[in-house]
Amino acid sequence: ETGVTQSPTHLIKTRGQQVTLRCSSQSGHNTVSWYQQALGQGPQFIFQYYREEENGRGNFPPRFSGLQFPNYSSELNVNALELDDSALYLCASSLSQGSSTPRTQYFGPGTRLLVL
Amino acid sequence: EDQVTQSPEALRLQEGESSSLNCSYTVSGLRGLFWYRQDPGKGPEFLFTLYSAGEEKEKERLKATLTKKESFLHITAPKPEDSATYLCAVLRMGYNQGGKLIFGQGTELSVKP
Repeated sequence: ETGVTQSPTHLIKTRGQQVTLRCSSQSGHNTVSWYQQALGQGPQFIFQYYREEENGRGNFPPRFSGLQFPNYSSELNVNALELDDSALYLCASSLSQGSSTPRTQYFGPGTRLLVL
Repeated sequence: EDQVTQSPEALRLQEGESSSLNCSYTVSGLRGLFWYRQDPGKGPEFLFTLYSAGEEKEKERLKATLTKKESFLHITAPKPEDSATYLCAVLRMGYNQGGKLIFGQGTELSVKP
């Protein structure tokens, strides 16, 4: 069974640039969630994708956008980067089957983004 | 407003010295409480899910318990390899399928030999 993978592992950008982060979900999972984790803090929910559509969004501005592909992999795009966007970006996958039973989210290793 | 608070922020133990980490929460309609372990620079690793008050789960030296307002992660006779940040999260439903996790700030555990 393949776990959640993310690329790249590290990234350095300058303020105002755009960045795309990628995530491959765990085998058999159909839902992908993205989180931002600042140093010393717990992860914060950015958004979630299910069946290639955004399925919920946290308190992040529209310059944070995403996609989910038919194979359930996902991208996180951030435009007009700001210094405060420097963080660890985590992708988590889970299996949603239309029931009310909550499903565990499994995390990837993250992408460390530094904005200078 | 949904909120998760973990205490203490940092905990230093000697090897073999048992202790507990606390996670208190306020959330409308708890759909699950999750414990994760996170090593520096890595993604959170899933440990336990608890769904209802009174539920307990165990894994090696770790035991998680849940009440209506808080959860405890008990660590029995810890070893240095248990050193990590332990994250607590509650599942907030209200979306079409999956829901979002609301995390506490974590407890950084250090176990010295």
